[in-house]
Amino acid sequence: QQPVQSPQAVILREGEDAVINCSSSKALYSVHWYRQKHGEAPVFLMILLKGGEQKGHEKISASFNEKKQQSSLYLTASQLSYSGTYFCSTTRTSGTYKYIFGTGTRLKVLA
Amino acid sequence: DTGVSQNPRHKITKRGQNVTFRCDPISEHNRLYWYRQTLGQGPEFLTYFQNEAQLEKSRLLSDRFSAERPKGSFSTLEIQRTEQGDSAMYLCASSLDWDPEETQYFGPGTRLLVL
Repeated sequence: QQPVQSPQAVILREGEDAVINCSSSKALYSVHWYRQKHGEAPVFLMILLKGGEQKGHEKISASFNEKKQQSSLYLTASQLSYSGTYFCSTTRTSGTYKYIFGTGTRLKVLA
Repeated sequence: DTGVSQNPRHKITKRGQNVTFRCDPISEHNRLYWYRQTLGQGPEFLTYFQNEAQLEKSRLLSDRFSAERPKGSFSTLEIQRTEQGDSAMYLCASSLDWDPEETQYFGPGTRLLVL
């Protein structure tokens, strides 16, 4: 089942913050976050494996809730380079490499 | 480190023809994945190789699709009797099995247009 991302699209001014959510109806094993710019391949941002985990750095971080059904990506003080489509990519169990990508969130940062 | 490469970058074919795409992963990356991406959608998993063994395959991969990785290095994806619905970007990614982050490095993709 494909994870649902929200919002579908967001427009920000430089310096503003954004939160992108990735929700699954069932518990997940892992969540990866990717950013894809138009016409380019997806680029890995980070992985979360543990319920309650938070990782990343000051500008871009992510969390995985205790039930492991929702992950959120936090973009702080956005820059023009953050523009692109963000995808979560999930696995349901350990030992599978069948990654299911979310519905995507298009983010546009304006000067 | 030259990154993941894919050839050709673009392919236009007529319905019913066979096409083959090639993916060269990052050297020493033993995991290799194929995905299909249509406009506005996220990548859709097709298949996964660990070295030369094809360990997972999507049910979406019909009889017309086949993938190989004969020596555990490069991989090919073949589509037989192409249909207009096969038009998409075909992405290849590779990773290392000992990487705890399971980071997948994607190639630039092969864009297929079936007329």
